[in-house]
Amino acid sequence: NAGVTQTPKFRVLKTGQSMTLLCAQDMNHEYMYWYRQDPGMGLRLIHYSVGEGTTAKGEVPDGYNVSRLKKQNFLLGLESAAPSQTSVYFCASSQGRGWNNEQFFGPGTRLTVL
Amino acid sequence: AQKITQTQPGMFVQEKEAVTLDCTYDTSDQSYGLFWYKQPSSGEMIFLIYQGSYDEQNATEGRYSLNFQKARKSANLVISASQLGDSAMYFCAMRDYNQGGKLIFGQGTELSVKP
Repeated sequence: NAGVTQTPKFRVLKTGQSMTLLCAQDMNHEYMYWYRQDPGMGLRLIHYSVGEGTTAKGEVPDGYNVSRLKKQNFLLGLESAAPSQTSVYFCASSQGRGWNNEQFFGPGTRLTVL
Repeated sequence: AQKITQTQPGMFVQEKEAVTLDCTYDTSDQSYGLFWYKQPSSGEMIFLIYQGSYDEQNATEGRYSLNFQKARKSANLVISASQLGDSAMYFCAMRDYNQGGKLIFGQGTELSVKP
């Protein structure tokens, strides 16, 4: 099992460019999440999905869109990148949302917006 | 709203000694789960240990143990016999049943192990 994978690992964008981050999991998990981590901070939730075809906003959703067309994939899009979106992005998945369900994290994508 | 507080931005420990990383939490839920993650300089998030609010015993995983004091709302991570490879950022987190069961993270503690 690969667990949770993310593509790409690194990316540099210019302000105004667009890109899509891909997250894939092979654990048949229902729940998937996108977090961002800024320097000196813990992770904050951008968007999440509770199953194929569903998405919902998290704490910091502005400037991002997501899609979950297939259960194993969760895509994060930036339509018009801004320097404030420079961050490390983590995808995670979980079998459920219960308090005892572990979240499994991908390796992260380091994004720089110039 | 749930909240995690880690008050130690940085900690130093001598190799082979034990170290405690502090974590306090705030929640009105009766059932909850607390997690500790390690983030080395390579950047990945590594799950270390989990404690459920109704677990009668403190969780242990190898050299990691969780000092869970429910009345004080604290869930401190204890690392015994520190190794150089333990140098990393450590995050305490709690599941929030809202927003799909997201994790709420503290700001982290950077641990440096001295040889």
